Amino acid sequence: KNEVEQSPQNLTAQEGEFITINCSYSVGISALHWLQQHPGGGIVSLFMLSSGKKKHGRLIATINIQEKHSSLHITASHPRDSAVYICAVRDDDMRFGAGTRLTVKP
Amino acid sequence: KAGVTQTPRYLIKTRGQQVTLSCSPISGHRSVSWYQQTPGQGLQFLFEYFSETQRNKGNFPGRFSGRQFSNSRSEMNVSTLELGDSALYLCASSSTLYEQYFGPGTRLTVT
Repeated sequence: KNEVEQSPQNLTAQEGEFITINCSYSVGISALHWLQQHPGGGIVSLFMLSSGKKKHGRLIATINIQEKHSSLHITASHPRDSAVYICAVRDDDMRFGAGTRLTVKP
Repeated sequence: KAGVTQTPRYLIKTRGQQVTLSCSPISGHRSVSWYQQTPGQGLQFLFEYFSETQRNKGNFPGRFSGRQFSNSRSEMNVSTLELGDSALYLCASSSTLYEQYFGPGTRLTVT
């Protein structure tokens, strides 16, 4: 069993829909990251969380330390949100989920 | 501020050769981490350096090594290349232990 599990693996949405990507982990962590990777490989760190909730524009990330679970929400999704979203947890090193491939159709 | 830069961006090598990849962190950042990304294994942690000291190492064979210089620039070296080493190699820098700013990556193809 992977230490970091993401769901769903693939997600297709219509423009404007509310999107949720989930991440569960089984190890102790000091922080959790949500990353975005566009075709071509570049990775952008969207959020770093150790507790609670963070919001940036249309993106919201939450974490429940007791349940070892985090969610990434995208409100009013847009085709430019199409990318792979990766959950990563930090303890001594970084461990990554397999990613969620999001496609938003116009 | 300039972002994280990695050189070269693309590289083709032959099995058995060795390769050195370079990463220049954001000015002022003292921590550099390296990651390997493959279609089969996804992203995996290679190593992390802070102020020229290796802090952590991932589960990779000894053929994978790295170092960090006094100006925080880092290099990673892979010796005796295997076909399975074909991957996107990413480095990330940070000024703290937690935030990560990624470079564009070096795409290595081993033939």
